[in-house]
Amino acid sequence: TQLLEQSPQFLSIQEGENLTVYCNSSSVFSSLQWYRQEPGEGPVLLVTVVTGGEVKKLKRLTFQFGDARKDSSLHITAAQPGDTGLYLCAGVRNQFYFGTGTSLTVIP
Amino acid sequence: GAVVSQHPSWVICKSGTSVKIECRSLDFQATTMFWYRQFPKQSLMLMATSNEGSKATYEQGVEKDKFLINHASLTLSTLTVTSAHPEDSSFYICSASPGARGYTEAFFGQGTRLTVV
Repeated sequence: TQLLEQSPQFLSIQEGENLTVYCNSSSVFSSLQWYRQEPGEGPVLLVTVVTGGEVKKLKRLTFQFGDARKDSSLHITAAQPGDTGLYLCAGVRNQFYFGTGTSLTVIP
Repeated sequence: GAVVSQHPSWVICKSGTSVKIECRSLDFQATTMFWYRQFPKQSLMLMATSNEGSKATYEQGVEKDKFLINHASLTLSTLTVTSAHPEDSSFYICSASPGARGYTEAFFGQGTRLTVV
């Protein structure tokens, strides 16, 4: 069993739509990170959230850390084809725990 | 940001041979390096954690005699897949962390696509 469950696992949407990806756990993390990975490449760090309830924005991406530091969400506004990729959350406790991943496809 | 270089990017080898993958931190000293395996459209599966100068810690189910990890310096870790078989074909990714315990931030290599024929 994975410590961090992401939902949905797969998502295919039209360009311009909004979407939210969830990263849930029953465990508390000292921080949580979101990565995006394109095929054949390594994951690239998007953001790190540390404080419960923290919200960070990166252009059209909004990241939120749950108040109890057990979960997080990633919201994308007006998705574009360039947003296509595998999104991974990673919680930090005594090591990195990666989520199950969300494969996003944005159709032009 | 910190750069981690992984080499080679892809490799094809014959069944029964061994393959070495290198992971280098180019502009920082990596106290801890992690090796992952990834299947298409799936998350990263941690194989092992290595600290410079000590033996790697393998995750449950990962054969340490098959996946040899050496972390001889603060900037280089290697993963050797010994006696490779087609089922070892996968995408292997390393990450390196400058933290004293390696659990604050990590930077990823670009991955190595291994195909065993």
